[in-house]
Amino acid sequence: EAGVAQSPRYKIIEKRQSVAFWCNPISGHATLYWYQQILGQGPKLLIQFQNNGVVDDSQLPKDRFSAERLKGVDSTLKIQPAKLEDSAVYLCASSLSRSGSIGEQFFGPGTRLTVL
Amino acid sequence: EDKVVQSPLSLVVHEGDTVTLNCSYEVTNFRSLLWYKQEKKAPTFLFMLTSSGIEKKSGRLSSILDKKELFSILNITATQTGDSAIYLCAVGSNFGNEKLTFGTGTRLTIIP
Repeated sequence: EAGVAQSPRYKIIEKRQSVAFWCNPISGHATLYWYQQILGQGPKLLIQFQNNGVVDDSQLPKDRFSAERLKGVDSTLKIQPAKLEDSAVYLCASSLSRSGSIGEQFFGPGTRLTVL
Repeated sequence: EDKVVQSPLSLVVHEGDTVTLNCSYEVTNFRSLLWYKQEKKAPTFLFMLTSSGIEKKSGRLSSILDKKELFSILNITATQTGDSAIYLCAVGSNFGNEKLTFGTGTRLTIIP
């Protein structure tokens, strides 16, 4: 079974530039998550999709971050414009779980973003 | 606000030692507690615990949950250098829209 795919693996940009990350979850997984992991901290949930609908984006800085999952499969996360404090690893995860169930989340390899 | 606290933050032991990692939590609508191992980037799943007092075991790793005292421990016996990693505890909450809240992790270093 193929795992969660993410690209790019590394990205270096200057502040105020834009950047986009892509995630393809495990086939058949209904739920997709984007996390931000700053060095020395645990992953923090940015947004959660159930199929192509947003179920939780309470911690997404909506003035600069946006995400979509148009066909309920792969997803993109965008930052525009980037700030220095956005330097982090961005992890995508997916799970089989549907509403009301508990499911293990499978993580992709992440994208390490450095903002200069 | 949901909160997950792990201790110690960092631990250095010799190969062959036994270690115990701690995780305490305060969340509303508790559903599950999960342990992950993070070596490079992607956390990999170790255990999911939903019931108190039932030990989950996989090889040299084991974990148990106490829902009354709101904590879990992860034990690793006969440690090996390959166990060096960050161990993350996460608590699943909310009914219907499961959400994971992660702790900051314990960085475990095994010295040969």
